[in-house]
Amino acid sequence: ETGVTQSPTHLIKTRGQQVTLRCSSQSGHNTVSWYQQALGQGPQFIFQYYREEENGRGNFPPRFSGLQFPNYSSELNVNALELDDSALYLCASSLGEVVTEDGYTFGSGTRLTVV
Amino acid sequence: AQSVTQLGSHVSVSEGALVLLRCNYSSSVPPYLFWYVQYPNQGLQLLLKYTSAATLVKGINGFEAEFKKSETSFHLTKPSAHMSDAAEYFCAVHLNTGNQFYFGTGTSLTVIP
Repeated sequence: ETGVTQSPTHLIKTRGQQVTLRCSSQSGHNTVSWYQQALGQGPQFIFQYYREEENGRGNFPPRFSGLQFPNYSSELNVNALELDDSALYLCASSLGEVVTEDGYTFGSGTRLTVV
Repeated sequence: AQSVTQLGSHVSVSEGALVLLRCNYSSSVPPYLFWYVQYPNQGLQLLLKYTSAATLVKGINGFEAEFKKSETSFHLTKPSAHMSDAAEYFCAVHLNTGNQFYFGTGTSLTVIP
C-alpha cells in the first residue's frame, strides 16, 4: 500500500494552458521527486526537493517548476503546455536526502493529456 | 555520463519457467542499481536494490539480481514465473551527484498460462 497520493488521477488540458499537479508524500519523508513518464518510456527525472529546497534538476525547461511544503505535500507546475507534455507524472518520496538509502515510494501518478 | 539499457522491450515466459530480464549500465563510478515493477495504472514499486554490499541481491516476490561489474550488468531473475508477475519492469541507476535516478525504457513481462 503506497503512502504517496497524487491528484488528480487524470487531467485534460489545452495547449498553452497552465497546470498544477499535487502530491502528498509519505509522512516523515523529507525528499520528494517528480518524474515524467511518456507512453512506452521509462520515467525521466524532472526535479527533486529536500526540506523545501530544490536539490536536483533534470533536463527540463524552466516552465516546469515545483514547490514543497512543510506538511509533506508538493506541487508540480507546468506553464505553456505543449502536446509533448502529455505523459504520466509520478511523484516519489524518500525519507532522507540520500535517496539510495531507502529508495523511493512512488505514487500512482497523474495522467496528463494535452490537446 | 550514465545510462541504463534494458535489452528486450517485451519478454514472454510460460508459467513456472525462469524469468530473466536484462539490464546493462554505463557509469564512470560504482553505481547504485535498482529494479522497479509497475503494474497497470499504478506507480513504481521497489523490487530490490544494489548498494555495493553483496553482489547477489534478493528482493520481494522471489526476484533476485546479480551485480556483475566485469559485464556492467544487473540482470533480474526469478526461478519460476507466476501469472501475477505480468507487469512492466524498470532498471534504474542512481549516482549521488546530481541526485537523480536514470531509468531504462522498461521490459514488459507476459506470463503465458
